[in-house]
Amino acid sequence: GESVGLHLPTLSVQEGDNSIINCAYSNSASDYFIWYKQESGKGPQFIIDIRSNMDKRQGQRVTVLLNKTVKHLSLQIAATQPGDSAVYFCAESGGSNYKLTFGKGTLLTVNP
Amino acid sequence: GAGVSQSPSNKVTEKGKDVELRCDPISGHTALYWYRQSLGQGLEFLIYFQGNSAPDKSGLPSDRFSAERTGGSVSTLTIQRTQQEDSAVYLCASSLYRGRYEQYFGPGTRLTVT
Repeated sequence: GESVGLHLPTLSVQEGDNSIINCAYSNSASDYFIWYKQESGKGPQFIIDIRSNMDKRQGQRVTVLLNKTVKHLSLQIAATQPGDSAVYFCAESGGSNYKLTFGKGTLLTVNP
Repeated sequence: GAGVSQSPSNKVTEKGKDVELRCDPISGHTALYWYRQSLGQGLEFLIYFQGNSAPDKSGLPSDRFSAERTGGSVSTLTIQRTQQEDSAVYLCASSLYRGRYEQYFGPGTRLTVT
C-alpha cells in the first residue's frame, strides 16, 4: 500500500553542523507534506510544511525540499543545536483533505 | 493560548479492564484526531472527528476501541477489555477545520497494560 518511509532511522551530528533528514513517499496523489519534531515525552510539534506546487520552503533555520520526480522530501536544519535533538517525522496528505500519513521517524542526536 | 491537553498522562491497567482517555482540543478547532504511537514507531491514525459530521473510524484496530466527541469539543477514547498489545502512547491532535492539515498535538497518554 501507500506509505511514507525514511531512509535513515538515526542521525548523529556535531553541534553547529547542518543536518539533513530524508523521507521518501510513494503516494503520487499527496499534495501536502509536513515535518514534525517530537521530543522525548512530548507530542509532535509542527516544524514546517510544503505544498506540492512548491520545491522549497524556508523557515527559521529549517528548509524543506520537495522533489516530486523521485518522490523525495528532505528537512535541512542549519547550525544544529543540542535542542534540536529529537525524533523527526515526515507526513503526507496521501490524497486526503484531512488525514495525514506519518513515517516512522528519524532520531536526530546532536553531539556537543 | 492553551494547547491540546490530555488526561491522564500515564495509565497503568490490568489486562481485561476498560480504560478511558480524555482529550481537550484547542478552543475553536473543529477537527480532532486520535493516534496511537507504539515504542519507536510512527503515528497510527485511529479516528477523526469533524464538527457534527460522522467520524472517520477507519483506523480503529478492533471493536474494543471506540471514541466520542461531545459538544464538538472534548473527546474520549475508550478501550474495552484491554490487551497487552494496546500498550502505547495515545496522542490527540486538533486542527482548525477540515482541509487545514496542520495538526496540533497534545502530550499524549502513556497506556501500560499489565
